[in-house]
Amino acid sequence: QLHLHESGPRLLKPSETLSLACSVSTDSISSWSYYWAWIRQSPGKGLEWIGSISISGGTYSNPSLKSRITMSMDTPKNQFSLELKSMTAADTAVYYCARQRAPPDWYFDLWGRDTLVTVSS
Amino acid sequence: SYELTQPPSMSVSPGQTARITCSGDALPRQYIYWYQQKPGQAPLVVIYKDNHRPSEIPERFSGSSSETIGTLTISGVQAEDEADYYCHSVDSSGVVIFGGGTKLTVL
Repeated sequence: QLHLHESGPRLLKPSETLSLACSVSTDSISSWSYYWAWIRQSPGKGLEWIGSISISGGTYSNPSLKSRITMSMDTPKNQFSLELKSMTAADTAVYYCARQRAPPDWYFDLWGRDTLVTVSS
Repeated sequence: SYELTQPPSMSVSPGQTARITCSGDALPRQYIYWYQQKPGQAPLVVIYKDNHRPSEIPERFSGSSSETIGTLTISGVQAEDEADYYCHSVDSSGVVIFGGGTKLTVL
C-alpha cells in the first residue's frame, strides 16, 4: 500500500523559509504515470494548490506563489520536496503532499497526512 | 487562470438528493473533479474526469458537466455524507484550480 509521509518544521518565524519533504513508500516517484504535488489549507478555509512536479521534467506552480516556490525530487531517496520562501502569518496552514495522476487525468488520488505549519514570531 | 465557484453551503435531509454545483468559464474545455473532505481528514476523490467514480466510492455519488457548470449528485444522502465538497479543474497550462468548497449538512 502506498503511503506519503511528510517531514519538516511545524513552527517558523516570519521571513523564514519552509522546507518540507514527502517520502513515498512502496512506489517509485520516477513513474511517468504520476506527478507529485503540494496543497495547503488555511485554518477553516478551502484548498489551495501550491504546485506539482514530475520526473518527466514538468513543473507547475500556483501563479500567486510561483516566485516563492522551489520544488525538487530526490529519486534515490524516493522523496520530493517543497521550499516556500519569505513565510508570513498568511502562510499558516495545513500542508499536504499528494500524488497526482498525470495528464489527461490530473486528479489527486492519494494524500499524505496533514501537516500543520504555523508562522509566528 | 480562471475561477471555480461553488455555493458555500447546502443542507438536505437523509434520503434526499443533493446536487452541488461548480461553475467556471473554462469547464466546457476542461475536466472537473470532485473531492470529499471530512473534519480532520485529507480530501478523497469521489468523481474524476466529469463523471467517473473510483471503485471504492458508493454508487450514490455521480457527476456531470454541461457547458460552464459541473454538478456532483449524491442520491439518497446518508448521514455519513456530511462533509465539505470541493471541485477542481486544471487549465490549459497545467495550473490547478479548486473551488471554494461547499459544506453539505445532512439534517
